[in-house]
Amino acid sequence: NAGVMQNPRHLVRRRGQEARLRCSPMKGHSHVYWYRQLPEEGLKFMVYLQKENIIDESGMPKERFSAEFPKEGPSILRIQQVVRGDSAAYFCASSPGRVGETQYFGPGTRLLVL
Amino acid sequence: DAKTTQPPSMDCAEGRAANLPCNHSTISGNEYVYWYRQIHSQGPQYIIHGLKNNETNEMASLIITEDRKSSTLILPHATLRDTAVYYCIVRVGTGGGNKLTFGTGTQLKVEL
Repeated sequence: NAGVMQNPRHLVRRRGQEARLRCSPMKGHSHVYWYRQLPEEGLKFMVYLQKENIIDESGMPKERFSAEFPKEGPSILRIQQVVRGDSAAYFCASSPGRVGETQYFGPGTRLLVL
Repeated sequence: DAKTTQPPSMDCAEGRAANLPCNHSTISGNEYVYWYRQIHSQGPQYIIHGLKNNETNEMASLIITEDRKSSTLILPHATLRDTAVYYCIVRVGTGGGNKLTFGTGTQLKVEL
């Protein structure tokens, strides 16, 4: 029973490039959440998605960041025109299709912007 | 979601019980207490959660006070691999927003 999978585990980008982070939820889970952890800081909520719907994006920066969770395939967190301040660990979590169910986290993607 | 207060750090001898406290004095009646831990920048690991009754699983026990304003996570026999940052999170269990609000947590260091 595979857990939440994220890839790539490490990603290096130069300033101005695009970063695409992928998250495959646990089997049977239809809710996905993205969190960001800046160096030496705590985890911060970014966005909560269900299949084909963004439910809560209150933690997403207004520009350059977008997320999707299509009907088929993994959830994608996309960062356009990356800047050094985007360097962080990005964690995805998933939960079953009921409100309030426990979230289980993936191993994260470490993004380094040069 | 209610705010939580945890000590920034704690030490524990290997083999002894680790008791991690959490204050959540503004908790509402429909809010659950969740505990996660993060081992050296890995993904957060779910440990346990409860509403008002004490809970136990293979990893830990959760003791919630009768007034629900505080709780204690107990690792009965701590090992070196339990060294991690432990997060106490209060969130609505049903019908509310689903995001987890992480504080600064407690850095538990288990030593020989």
